[in-house]
Amino acid sequence: QQPVQSPQAVILREGEDAVINCSSSKALYSVHWYRQKHGEAPVFLMILLKGGEQKGHDKISASFNEKKQQSSLYLTASQLSYSGTYFCGTERGGTSYGKLTFGQGTILTVHP
Amino acid sequence: DAGVIQSPRHEVTEMGQEVTLRCKPISGHNSLFWYRQTMMRGLELLIYFNNNVPIDDSGMPEDRFSAKMPNASFSTLKIQPSEPRDSAVYFCASSPGRGTRWVNSPLHFGNGTRLTVT
Repeated sequence: QQPVQSPQAVILREGEDAVINCSSSKALYSVHWYRQKHGEAPVFLMILLKGGEQKGHDKISASFNEKKQQSSLYLTASQLSYSGTYFCGTERGGTSYGKLTFGQGTILTVHP
Repeated sequence: DAGVIQSPRHEVTEMGQEVTLRCKPISGHNSLFWYRQTMMRGLELLIYFNNNVPIDDSGMPEDRFSAKMPNASFSTLKIQPSEPRDSAVYFCASSPGRGTRWVNSPLHFGNGTRLTVT
């Protein structure tokens, strides 16, 4: 079942912050975050395993609340290079172990 | 590391023709995934393999679609016969695999094949 991302699109000026949310109706084992530039392949950002951990990648960080089956991606002091479509991918574990299902994506546009 | 290699990059074909997409995963990766991306449906998982064995093909839309992984370094996705609604970007991705539950396994995507069926 496809996770739901919100918002669908975000427009920022350089230096502003943004939060992208990802939620699932099913229990999750892990959440992945990827960024895709126009015309290119998705690129891995980070993985969060259940346990409520938070991870960081430069000025991009994420959290995972396994009880709520939700993850959030935090982009602080945005740069022009952050523009792209962000996807969360969820893995449910059990018989779905290894199966990654992506949300519909959030389009992030950063202006000078 | 050459990354995941897909061919062709672009394919234009007529309805009814057979189409074969190819993928070479990163050496040493045990898992391989085929995704389809469209504006309407986003990134859809079609099928994935672990150690060359198909694990879940529930995303394959119809019997017209088939995928094989004859060895650890090669996979194909075939559409026969092709239809205009199959037009999409098809991505292949590989990951190191899941030795234990706690091993991080990011997906490495190829550059995709843009398929246009007229």
